[in-house]
Amino acid sequence: GIQVEQSPPDLILQEGANSTLRCNFSDSVNNLQWFHQNPWGQLINLFYIPSGTKQNGRLSATTVATERYSLLYISSSQTTDSGVYFCAVVNTGNQFYFGTGTSLTVIP
Amino acid sequence: DAGVTQSPTHLIKTRGQQVTLRCSPISGHKSVSWYQQVLGQGPQFIFQYYEKEERGRGNFPDRFSARQFPNYSSELNVNALLLGDSALYLCASSSPGSTEAFFGQGTRLTVV
Repeated sequence: GIQVEQSPPDLILQEGANSTLRCNFSDSVNNLQWFHQNPWGQLINLFYIPSGTKQNGRLSATTVATERYSLLYISSSQTTDSGVYFCAVVNTGNQFYFGTGTSLTVIP
Repeated sequence: DAGVTQSPTHLIKTRGQQVTLRCSPISGHKSVSWYQQVLGQGPQFIFQYYEKEERGRGNFPDRFSARQFPNYSSELNVNALLLGDSALYLCASSSPGSTEAFFGQGTRLTVV
């Protein structure tokens, strides 16, 4: 299967700071999604981004499929941004391969 | 519109027992997938069903089984529960022709 690596594994930010989360994957993909897992366990869709750049408010994401990586940018972080961020990819099948996540803590 | 719904939200079972978890996809979605997430790790793929047929299976023992019903809802069954089966079980659905997945809130299973 596809190997998905996320970095950093843990991140602590002061409220208002910016951050970049990275996702590297080992093979070509048909789909890449970024999720935020809330404290109750639900995976919240952030971006569906197999290639290109998208923005949604303070969040944006870029996937460079030819170089097999994706970046998630969080600007002006808020305490509600805390949680675990997962990158997940799909190649020729329909199975998602998840990274191990980045645990983000935003302190006031 | 309702998202993906899973039931129950929490469950406690004893080793050796059997458990059934349920998932209702988003209206119009025909694909349902199941994932297991143990503490500190990313979700791991268990099964995918599309139009009531199994389309994929992850590296899980035969104690794990699933099915999809004509209304596209799905059940995940786990027999002979082990302590290591304690995890968050997530269900996801996708619309026809799309690989974008939407996840439910999960069922947290504790085996004692």
